[in-house]
Amino acid sequence: EVQLVESGGVVVQPGGSLRLSCAASGFTFGDYTMHWVRQAPGKGLEWVSLISWDGGTTYYADSVGGRFTISRDNSKNSLYLQMNSLRTEDTAFYYCAKDIPGWVGIDCWGQGTLVTVSS
Amino acid sequence: QSVLTQPPSVSAAPGQKVTISCSGSSSNIGNSYVSWYQQLPGTAPKLLIYDNNKRPSGIPDRFSGSKSGTSATLGITGLQTGDEADYYCGTWDSSLSAWVFGGGTKLTVL
Repeated sequence: EVQLVESGGVVVQPGGSLRLSCAASGFTFGDYTMHWVRQAPGKGLEWVSLISWDGGTTYYADSVGGRFTISRDNSKNSLYLQMNSLRTEDTAFYYCAKDIPGWVGIDCWGQGTLVTVSS
Repeated sequence: QSVLTQPPSVSAAPGQKVTISCSGSSSNIGNSYVSWYQQLPGTAPKLLIYDNNKRPSGIPDRFSGSKSGTSATLGITGLQTGDEADYYCGTWDSSLSAWVFGGGTKLTVL
């Protein structure tokens, strides 16, 4: 069974930094592109970033580019999101998600971890 | 303002059929594959449709997807109260080099 478990969500002050982690199991993690998707409380889904299977290709939403960095460690079956210069508008549930090869959809999602940016 | 446009809400009676539209452009829907997600209250999104019209295992055939030009449609037949949820379309946008989602549609089963 595929499992994605996020961790690292906390309350942080504006301007602060945070690193989210996602532990993957139940599939060959190193074979798949992975995503981070976020959802502000009561709002819709917002894609944040993706990283290719080998980490060689990354993309970011304009809203986080230059502040967030996605990375992965295939030896540890883990995905990460380093978040710097956090803003109040970054407050959201952050989901780790697995891509379907060919970028035809996102088939597995974690339960999410809540990041709150507040003074 | 989402790149993909969905109606904010739709409603229908139990047993009836409903469709949810997703409108985009040549840089996203017109040139890529559309997927659909269901999000029940308080839970993570769940994949319903991928590659425009394919259902993952375990998704009943009451759910269907189609795409024409720069628009896509999710269809749900035999509505059940358990289908009440938010539904999102998503695809890759080649101009933005970003994955994009619609703003979401809240389905109410009256």
